[in-house]
Amino acid sequence: GQSLEQPSEVTAVEGAIVQINCTYQTSGFYGLSWYQQHDGGAPTFLSYNALDGLEETGRFSSFLSRSDSYGYLLLQELQMKDSASYFCAVPNTDKLIFGTGTRLQVFP
Amino acid sequence: SAVISQKPSRDICQRGTSLTIQCQVDSQVTMMFWYRQQPGQSLTLIATANQGSEATYESGFVIDKFPISRPNLTFSTLTVSNMSPEDSSIYLCSVVRLSGPDTQYFGPGTRLTVL
Repeated sequence: GQSLEQPSEVTAVEGAIVQINCTYQTSGFYGLSWYQQHDGGAPTFLSYNALDGLEETGRFSSFLSRSDSYGYLLLQELQMKDSASYFCAVPNTDKLIFGTGTRLQVFP
Repeated sequence: SAVISQKPSRDICQRGTSLTIQCQVDSQVTMMFWYRQQPGQSLTLIATANQGSEATYESGFVIDKFPISRPNLTFSTLTVSNMSPEDSSIYLCSVVRLSGPDTQYFGPGTRLTVL
């Protein structure tokens, strides 16, 4: 089977840095994606790592280690609007398998 | 990005009835999917909607309960049949664009409550 595990909840204050981890077990690995979902909203794409290493997009960075079956999403200079759920996901042929999800709460 | 609309945005239904959810995309896409998301939970893939042929269902989901149509490259419907309160959930369609498989775009979702 396939599984992607994430911490259920993370809390932080504005301006801080937070890391959301994802460990996965999949058959056939092509890369790791991250999605953000605000309450009542649709998931939106944040990043995709096909290769090992760090990918930076503004305040958000995503890291992948294939040998460790592990990745993380790093959010810097946290803002209140970053309060949301974050999901890692892996492509399986043409479909996505989502992780358990992490709810991030940012406090002032 | 792809612009995706879903109808209805929400509905409250009686047990034993059926509801059809529509998903419309503003451009041709290769793949369309239907997901279910229960409150506070992750997304679970129901099926891949195949254009002009039967949908491909994931384990635990069957065509009799969740019939899906995809008559063309921009439109799909999901029917939730013979509903029970356990079907109360958010149903989302998503698409992969012709330009590449790495990103899925999601519709706004349909919030279904079954009484």
